[in-house]
Amino acid sequence: EAGVVQSPRYKIIEKKQPVAFWCNPISGHNTLYWYRQNLGQGPELLIRYENEEAVDDSQLPKDRFSAERLKGVDSTLKIQPAELGDSAVYLCASSLGVGASSYNSPLHFGNGTRLTVT
Amino acid sequence: QKEVEQNSGPLSVPEGAIASLNCTYSDRGSQSFFWYRQYSGKSPELIMSIYSNGDKEDGRFTAQLNKASQYVSLLIRDSQPSDSATYLCAVPSGGSYIPTFGRGTSLIVHP
Repeated sequence: EAGVVQSPRYKIIEKKQPVAFWCNPISGHNTLYWYRQNLGQGPELLIRYENEEAVDDSQLPKDRFSAERLKGVDSTLKIQPAELGDSAVYLCASSLGVGASSYNSPLHFGNGTRLTVT
Repeated sequence: QKEVEQNSGPLSVPEGAIASLNCTYSDRGSQSFFWYRQYSGKSPELIMSIYSNGDKEDGRFTAQLNKASQYVSLLIRDSQPSDSATYLCAVPSGGSYIPTFGRGTSLIVHP
């Protein structure tokens, strides 16, 4: 089984520039998560999708961040414009369950994208 | 705000010893609990899940859950240098099912 695929692995941009991250989940996994992880911290949720619907985006800074999951498969997370504080690792994860059945479904993470904003 | 608390460490143990990692959570409605291991520069990977009070053993790993005390722990027996990593506790909230992660405990196993 292929794992969660993310690209790019690394990205260095200047502040105020746009950046986009891509994620392809494990085949058959209907729930997709974007997390952000700062150094020395645990992952923090940005947005969760069930199929193509964003079911929790309360932690997504909507003034600069956007996400989409067309056709309920792969997903893109965008930042425009980037700020210095956006430097972090952006993790995509997927799980098999949807709704209440996602409760017992572990997350499978991609390799992440390390973003550096200068 | 649902919280998951972990001591950031580092926890240093000698090779062959038992490492004990602890996690407390605030959401009494939580029913599922996960431990992930994260090597430096890598992504988290699942090592244990537990859903019922008591102990669950998998090889050298034992997860312990006490819902009354809102406490979950991970024991690693016969610790090896390859166990050196950050261990993340994740607890889905009772209402939203979204896993909230603790900040992780750094474990160092020295030869």
